[in-house]
Amino acid sequence: SQQGEEDPQALSIQEGENATMNCSYKTSINNLQWYRQNSGRGLVHLILIRSNEREKHSGRLRVTLDTSKKSSSLLITASRAADTASYFCATGNMNTGFQKLVFGTGTRLLVSP
Amino acid sequence: EPEVTQTPSHQVTQMGQEVILRCVPISNHLYFYWYRQILGQKVEFLVSFYNNEISEKSEIFDDQFSVERPDGSNFTLKIRSTKLEDSAMYFCASSHREGTEAFFGQGTRLTVV
Repeated sequence: SQQGEEDPQALSIQEGENATMNCSYKTSINNLQWYRQNSGRGLVHLILIRSNEREKHSGRLRVTLDTSKKSSSLLITASRAADTASYFCATGNMNTGFQKLVFGTGTRLLVSP
Repeated sequence: EPEVTQTPSHQVTQMGQEVILRCVPISNHLYFYWYRQILGQKVEFLVSFYNNEISEKSEIFDDQFSVERPDGSNFTLKIRSTKLEDSAMYFCASSHREGTEAFFGQGTRLTVV
């Protein structure tokens, strides 16, 4: 898989359900960030987790990081129709420098009312 | 809440013309970036800028591209002679320190005809 590859590619759920998206990466990282993108719009920063952290929460979001498996997951609890968007993970790693983020292919989430 | 602003939101230009995309990063941020997203594809890193010079650039960022911080607030991306394949959404981003959250603007959709 490519650096920062999310699965599933698409996820369709009902309002109130939880949505889980996964991200896998290949190289060592310093941090991993999750972003949301509404169709054709800008990237909204959701959460950053550092390589020495295992879990982080922000409101209805929960992110986990497993550096041994080179993977991260984003859980959105009690989803709402407004959560419909594409979600990307982006890694900052030691090889390419802290400043360059490598984005995944994204998960398209559809939350139906 | 502070945000990164980009202008214009949409630019249409003829092949071979020069374009300048403008960005105002968040005021206390020190690192500035340009990324692009070709329709349906991943977000790709172009260049990072710190302390008034390019700190990192990708192979996409060839001699046709240049960046400038002409004053204390603006950060620009110039494409000297646009090609059809330059059509994409261009995102500006900024971060306060290396390895911290990168905040993105809403993007400029560039269409080269």
